[in-house]
Amino acid sequence: DGGITQSPKYLFRKEGQNVTLSCEQNLNHDAMYWYRQDPGQGLRLIYYSQIVNDFQKGDIAEGYSVSREKKESFPLTVTSAQKNPTAFYLCASRQVGDTQYFGPGTRLTVL
Amino acid sequence: AQSVAQPEDQVNVAEGNPLTVKCTYSVSGNPYLFWYVQYPNRGLQFLLKYITGDNLVKGSYGFEAEFNKSQTSFHLKKPSALVSDSALYFCAVREGSGTYKYIFGTGTRLKVLA
Repeated sequence: DGGITQSPKYLFRKEGQNVTLSCEQNLNHDAMYWYRQDPGQGLRLIYYSQIVNDFQKGDIAEGYSVSREKKESFPLTVTSAQKNPTAFYLCASRQVGDTQYFGPGTRLTVL
Repeated sequence: AQSVAQPEDQVNVAEGNPLTVKCTYSVSGNPYLFWYVQYPNRGLQFLLKYITGDNLVKGSYGFEAEFNKSQTSFHLKKPSALVSDSALYFCAVREGSGTYKYIFGTGTRLKVLA
């Protein structure tokens, strides 16, 4: 069964804490993306990776970090420097031809 | 700068009536345009895309979109709406020919009334 999985589905963060969101795909796609979704603002790009061991900042990278050590995995860390992290986070992978496939999302809430 | 706009926050339509969800774009060069749908607390699902070719693009679940270069629009349409079409719809554009970054609109909530 091919697809993208994100875990956990819900995540709660205390002030000053770093948290890591998992994204795994078995679609054999080279490119992967992290987006943040806030009500009324659509999706905003945090980081993207076109290939293993390479990634670029998106429009709102401050306070976030990523790694791409394996083709299948693209974890996102929300650091304590991100002052307003409460949002819905979406991971996607892209096949040749521009179509993106999205995971089910992780809802992060700051306590 | 590249951009995409969805001028309506919400569209209401009666079941069985045709629906249109509007999208306009601004890009330099040839546009790569997409529509995605999102159901509550879920990820986005791809509906259709325009890269080149016919101005009328057919996609999943009976949806289609019309590319209009002179009006820089890419409106999503369906001849007969279903209650199950109620969801959040996003238009997106690729940022440029040399990049694989995508800009998403703010989304339009479609509500189909029984």
